[in-house]
Amino acid sequence: DADVTQTPRNRITKTGKRIMLECSQTKGHDRMYWYRQDPGLGLRLIYYSFDVKDINKGEISDGYSVSRQAQAKFSLSLESAIPNQTALYFCATSEGQGSYGYTFGSGTRLTVV
Amino acid sequence: GESVGLHLPTLSVQEGDNSIINCAYSNSASDYFIWYKQESGKGPQFIIDIRSNMDKRQGQRVTVLLNKTVKHLSLQIAATQPGDSAVYFCAESTAGGTSYGKLTFGQGTILTVHP
Repeated sequence: DADVTQTPRNRITKTGKRIMLECSQTKGHDRMYWYRQDPGLGLRLIYYSFDVKDINKGEISDGYSVSRQAQAKFSLSLESAIPNQTALYFCATSEGQGSYGYTFGSGTRLTVV
Repeated sequence: GESVGLHLPTLSVQEGDNSIINCAYSNSASDYFIWYKQESGKGPQFIIDIRSNMDKRQGQRVTVLLNKTVKHLSLQIAATQPGDSAVYFCAESTAGGTSYGKLTFGQGTILTVHP
């Protein structure tokens, strides 16, 4: 099994629908992140969580919400999807405590029509 | 700001050549830098990292150089192979403040290796 698992891998949804992207990890890391990737714009941080009780907004949090259900699970929701949220979404984890290396999931390709 | 940018969005090389991918950063407080490789359909994978108290670090076929004076980072890949074809991202972080532990990613460089 992958260290960081994202579901679904691909999703097409309609404008206005609520959708949840899920992420689970077996790394035992406290820190989890959601990033969005658009062509030519690299990875942009949506939300991050340094432990179960800690949730923080990233640079592009508008239109998104998250839930840290457990150390191993961090889900991202689009409350009312819009076409410009069409992108590739990545979940990542890190150990923290002076170690900055991230482990990424394989991504969820979301298309909003 | 904390932007991290790349000079060249694409790089094409012949198999066996050495590749150099460049990255500029603007945050003088950045003290940790990472290079990631992203193959098509996959998430980014760690290649090599370097802390600001170093100016060079070597891995297997890869070397990262850090020039803090001009805020420049480079990734050198020796004897580039077709399997090295991917998008390469640099990322940076700072040790303290609200940015602690968060990575800021650059735009990415597409490396294409021709047989």
